[in-house]
Amino acid sequence: AQKVTQAQTEISVVEKEDVTLDCVYETRDTTYYLFWYKQPPSGELVFLIRRNSFDEQNEISGRYSWNFQKSTSSFNFTITASQVVDSAVYFCALSELGGYQKVTFGIGTKLQVIP
Amino acid sequence: EPEVTQTPSHQVTQMGQEVILRCVPISNHLYFYWYRQILGQKVEFLVSFYNNEISEKSEIFDDQFSVERPDGSNFTLKIRSTKLEDSAMYFCASSGDRQETQYFGPGTRLLVL
Repeated sequence: AQKVTQAQTEISVVEKEDVTLDCVYETRDTTYYLFWYKQPPSGELVFLIRRNSFDEQNEISGRYSWNFQKSTSSFNFTITASQVVDSAVYFCALSELGGYQKVTFGIGTKLQVIP
Repeated sequence: EPEVTQTPSHQVTQMGQEVILRCVPISNHLYFYWYRQILGQKVEFLVSFYNNEISEKSEIFDDQFSVERPDGSNFTLKIRSTKLEDSAMYFCASSGDRQETQYFGPGTRLLVL
């Protein structure tokens, strides 16, 4: 069975600080996808990134960066120079490449960026 | 940019009533999904649907639930006799292929009284 653990339930940072959201996953499959989704206060789920288990290269997109470490089964997400608009719940998620791709979500980390 | 849409955005119903939640997936997508999120909890998979049949479902998706693609554009989730514990946000998602990213709709917030 697949499982995603986000140990940080809530984080508060002051604007312009960097913040890292942790994600640890479990799966029996050797091939899988990892995701991060953002859920702002309005409630929708916004796709941020998908990472294939074969590709351990870290990725940067503007102020966002992701660190995938297969050896520790972690897929951490860093926001650099945080802004108030980054305040949201962030979900890490996993799906296996086989099957019909059901996505298993973590509990989410609520990030509050204080001006 | 194409997006998944869901209606209604909010629905309030009495316990025991039937509700139908509607979704319009992205037009060239073939794989459809429903998830739910009880307030303050994680998003949970309910069901996946491909080629006009259920391909996978979770233990949450019991006989009270059904899904349908009644025409070429809509994808619906029916809850036959709602319970208080069905109160949640329901998300529809679609993907072009089973190995592609699922894109989520804005959700329908269901409140059962």
